[in-house]
Amino acid sequence: NAGVTQTPKFRILKIGQSMTLQCTQDMNHNYMYWYRQDPGMGLKLIYYSVGAGITDKGEVPNGYNVSRSTTEDFPLRLELAAPSQTSVYFCASSIRQGGITDTQYFGPGTRLTVL
Amino acid sequence: AQSVTQLDSHVSVSEGTPVLLRCNYSSSYSPSLFWYVQHPNKGLQLLLKYTSAATLVKGINGFEAEFKKSETSFHLTKPSAHMSDAAEYFCVVSEEELTGGGNKLTFGTGTQLKVEL
Repeated sequence: NAGVTQTPKFRILKIGQSMTLQCTQDMNHNYMYWYRQDPGMGLKLIYYSVGAGITDKGEVPNGYNVSRSTTEDFPLRLELAAPSQTSVYFCASSIRQGGITDTQYFGPGTRLTVL
Repeated sequence: AQSVTQLDSHVSVSEGTPVLLRCNYSSSYSPSLFWYVQHPNKGLQLLLKYTSAATLVKGINGFEAEFKKSETSFHLTKPSAHMSDAAEYFCVVSEEELTGGGNKLTFGTGTQLKVEL
């Protein structure tokens, strides 16, 4: 299994441009998440999905959109890039097994700079 | 509400000496607690996880952590540091559920571990 994969690894955008960050998992996990990591901070949840066709906002959703058409893919869309969106973005996935807290598995991240 | 505090932003040790990374949490009920490690320009890797079973949790690469409810702590330790342990470490608490399912993770701000020769 490749686990959670993300593309691209790095990207520089100009203010106002748009882009899609790709995330794919091959573990058949039902839950998927997008986080951002700013310098000196822990990760903050942007959006999450509990299954195909179901998405919901996390702590910092403004300026982003997501969709979940398949179990495997969970792309994150930036419509009008702003310097405040310069960050490292991580995708994660998990599966609930009985009543035990699921473990989230993370992708390698996308480093985005908006100039 | 759940929260987590990592007491040291930077820790420096010599190779072969013990490692202690401190973490205190706040939660209303019985939390699950995790330690993740992030090597430079890499994603987060799970080191270990506590989910109300044994209070002393063993993880990968010789790390372990002890859940102490009376002290609301979950400190990470390793008897002997290796150069490859240099990385950033995140303490994470999970107690609340997200709407519709899935667990809400609250991350600490991280501890940068430096290992010197």
